[in-house]
Amino acid sequence: AQRVTQPEKLLSVFKGAPVELKCNYSYSGSPELFWYVQYSRQRLQLLLRHISRESIKGFTADLNKGETSFHLKKPFAQEEDSAMYYCALGGGGNKLTFGTGTQLKVEL
Amino acid sequence: EADIYQTPRYLVIGTGKKITLECSQTMGHDKMYWYQQDPGMELHLIHYSYGVNSTEKGDLSSESTVSRIRTEHFPLTLESARPSHTSQYLCASSEARPLGTEAFFGQGTRLTVV
Repeated sequence: AQRVTQPEKLLSVFKGAPVELKCNYSYSGSPELFWYVQYSRQRLQLLLRHISRESIKGFTADLNKGETSFHLKKPFAQEEDSAMYYCALGGGGNKLTFGTGTQLKVEL
Repeated sequence: EADIYQTPRYLVIGTGKKITLECSQTMGHDKMYWYQQDPGMELHLIHYSYGVNSTEKGDLSSESTVSRIRTEHFPLTLESARPSHTSQYLCASSEARPLGTEAFFGQGTRLTVV
């Protein structure tokens, strides 16, 4: 079975502070990991994927197979980063499983 | 424009009614998904499909059923709606390959059963 855990329901930081949204996964095979974001009144959309090893909107995430983690990081939070963030695991080629989500609130 | 569409956006319906939530995509994707999401809660996978005539149940048990007769169309049906079915339903699609391919989501259908 595949499972995604996001331990924080809400993370509140000040503008300019570093951000780390935690994600741990459980999967016996080779995982495909993603971060999705949902801004207010918008659709859920892809933020980044581990296979691309890219930085999007200043966010990065590194897959750590030893710790089975895929934490999302940004060095300096911006007000426009406030949104709901979901970690997702693609396993077995067909299922896409999401975590419970973390609401990020960036305060001025 | 290539997109994924869900109709209706909002639906309020009485207990016992049969309903069908529509999902269509014009991106030519093989894989399609239905998720159930309560406000501020996680997305639960309830159905997915690899392609035409293939459907599987997801992680969350659901009384709904789906069909995939055409690549672009993946409707979800509730034979007899109940208040416990009140939720938001999200449809998504993605390519089968390559690895790490993005899933695209529709706007969602917010269902209320009274």
